[in-house]
Amino acid sequence: AQSVSQHNHHVILSEAASLELGCNYSYGGTVNLFWYVQYPGQHLQLLLKYFSGDPLVKGIKGFEAEFIKSKFSFNLRKPSVQWSDTAEYFCAVNARVTDKLIFGTGTRLQVFP
Amino acid sequence: DTAVSQTPKYLVTQMGNDKSIKCEQNLGHDTMYWYKQDSKKFLKIMFSYNNKELIINETVPNRFSPKSPDKAHLNLHINSLELGDSAVYFCASSQGLAGDTDTQYFGPGTRLTVL
Repeated sequence: AQSVSQHNHHVILSEAASLELGCNYSYGGTVNLFWYVQYPGQHLQLLLKYFSGDPLVKGIKGFEAEFIKSKFSFNLRKPSVQWSDTAEYFCAVNARVTDKLIFGTGTRLQVFP
Repeated sequence: DTAVSQTPKYLVTQMGNDKSIKCEQNLGHDTMYWYKQDSKKFLKIMFSYNNKELIINETVPNRFSPKSPDKAHLNLHINSLELGDSAVYFCASSQGLAGDTDTQYFGPGTRLTVL
C-alpha cells in the first residue's frame, strides 16, 4: 500500500535559517507529488507540485522541492525562513493508477524572530 | 471569491445527535472529496465523488453518508455522533480524479466537537 513519511515532526528555527523538510513515499510507479501548507487556523494551501519534467520544482513564497526518484523522496527547501512561515507542512502523494491522495503526518515548523 | 466553502465552520454537539456539514465549490470541478484531520493533524481521505458518483469510500462507518446533489456540492451527514468523530473535516475539489495530474483545492474546514 502507498504510504508517505515525514521524518521531521517538529522543527524550530530562527529567522533567516535554511529549511529542509524530508518526505519519502513508498510506491514504485508513476506518482504526483505535492507539498501543502496549513497556517494556524486556516485551510490547506498548495505550496508546489510535481507531475513530470524538471525534478526541481519552485513554488510560492520562495519554497522549492526536489524529486529524487531513486530515493523516493520529495524534500521541501527554503534558503531563508521568515516568522510568517510558521505553519504545518504536509507532503502528499498519489499514484497515477489510484484515485487517492495520501498525506504524510505533517511537520510543524516554528520560526522565531 | 471563495473557491471551496464549507458550513458551518464550527460545530459543537452532543453524542448521539445527527449533524450535516455542507460543501460547495465554484471552480467547475468534477470531483469532490471529504477528508478527516484528527487531533494529531493526520489527514485521511474519507470519500470522493466524481460527477455525483461515489468513487472512494475509505472504510468509513456507515453512520457517515455523503450526498452529492450536483457536481458543485458534496454534503456530509453524520448519524449518531460519537466522541471519536471529533475532528476537523475538510472538503476538497479537483478537476479530474485524484490519480490524474490535477491539484486538489481545500475548503476552510469544519471543526466538529462531540461532547
